[in-house]
Amino acid sequence: AQTVTQSQPEMSVQEAETVTLSCTYDTSESDYYLFWYKQPPSRQMILVIRQEAYKQQNATENRFSVNFQKAAKSFSLKISDSQLGDAAMYFCAYRSASNFGNEKLTFGTGTRLTIIP
Amino acid sequence: KAGVTQTPRYLIKTRGQQVTLSCSPISGHRSVSWYQQTPGQGLQFLFEYFSETQRNKGNFPGRFSGRQFSNSRSEMNVSTLELGDSALYLCASSFGASRHEQYFGPGTRLTVT
Repeated sequence: AQTVTQSQPEMSVQEAETVTLSCTYDTSESDYYLFWYKQPPSRQMILVIRQEAYKQQNATENRFSVNFQKAAKSFSLKISDSQLGDAAMYFCAYRSASNFGNEKLTFGTGTRLTIIP
Repeated sequence: KAGVTQTPRYLIKTRGQQVTLSCSPISGHRSVSWYQQTPGQGLQFLFEYFSETQRNKGNFPGRFSGRQFSNSRSEMNVSTLELGDSALYLCASSFGASRHEQYFGPGTRLTVT
């Protein structure tokens, strides 16, 4: 079974600064997807960024980028130029890339990010 | 395009009762997945339905069940409610192939007293 570990329950960063959230995972599969989801106080789960395991290039979405280290099974999220609206719970998630369409997401325990004005 | 909708948004039930939650996916999406979120257990996968068939199931007791209709709308049912079933229940929809994104609804907050 796959597991996802987020070792930082809470993080804080000054507005406009950069912060990195850590995630490690364990799997015996070679093909999979990794995601970072954001859950603000509204509780709506929002996809921030995704990475396909077969791609060596790290994914980037505006101020959000990842550092994907497949051999180390590490998947960290970097938020640049932090904004007040980035304050939320961030979840790292894993999904198998099975040909049979496995939609199951395995989530980490989350990191609560606070932005300091 | 309308997002994933869940009804009701809030629900209070008594131990022993049963409850039905509804999820309407994004138009064109055929897969609906359900998750339970609690402070103690975090986010846990309940089950996934695709074209009216349960395709995957998490490790929950048989009191938790679901179904999907021909229009892809899905319901989940919890029978004989326990205090520990108090949680935020999230559903997510997608086209159903693993390369496709999943989009989450706002959730239903269930409180069992």
